[in-house]
Amino acid sequence: GQQVMQIPQYQHVQEGEDFTTYCNSSTTLSNIQWYKQRPGGHPVFLIQLVKSGEVKKQKRLTFQFGEAKKNSSLHITATQTTDVGTYFCAGPRGVEMGGGSNYKLTFGKGTLLTVNP
Amino acid sequence: DTEVTQTPKHLVMGMTNKKSLKCEQHMGHRAMYWYKQKAKKPPELMFVYSYEKLSINESVPSRFSPECPNSSLLNLHLHALQPEDSALYLCASSQDGQGVETQYFGPGTRLLVL
Repeated sequence: GQQVMQIPQYQHVQEGEDFTTYCNSSTTLSNIQWYKQRPGGHPVFLIQLVKSGEVKKQKRLTFQFGEAKKNSSLHITATQTTDVGTYFCAGPRGVEMGGGSNYKLTFGKGTLLTVNP
Repeated sequence: DTEVTQTPKHLVMGMTNKKSLKCEQHMGHRAMYWYKQKAKKPPELMFVYSYEKLSINESVPSRFSPECPNSSLLNLHLHALQPEDSALYLCASSQDGQGVETQYFGPGTRLLVL
């Protein structure tokens, strides 16, 4: 079945340094989503990428979707302590049930980012 | 309003107890989800309801019983749980469960089974 691999598992940086997490799928994805989960919190949607080669920016965060729609990355410029948390990528996978098609999100294992002030 | 609410926030139960987790959303979403999340792991899908019908059951043990009374509410009934069922239980909703839309997560219920 479809797998979504994410690296690194952990990343510790000094405040002000950059951070990147990478996501790779064994199959082509229709879209990829990124979520952030703060310690003790719940996953919060960050962004969705749909088009091949798409790049989107949110302030210091840059998201990319690969040309083959099998990989993605999240880059944070000049990290801050507020960036601490686990970043998950997730891709939809079709599930055949009862004659119909449904979809579920397959999450990567996540990258835990810690920032030293 | 992009909020998904869950009650209770914390729950401690014995292996013989029966309890229920509740989830509510008022975004007009027609798909709702239950996830289980262990520490330092990604959310693990349990059930999906689409248009109030169970559309995905990820081979979850029968001691977990989902219920969707209407399009805004989702319950998870718990009975005879095991200590290994202790985890964060997350509810989420999305527009219609067709795979392209984003999911909005609630704050979760932290469950401890003794």
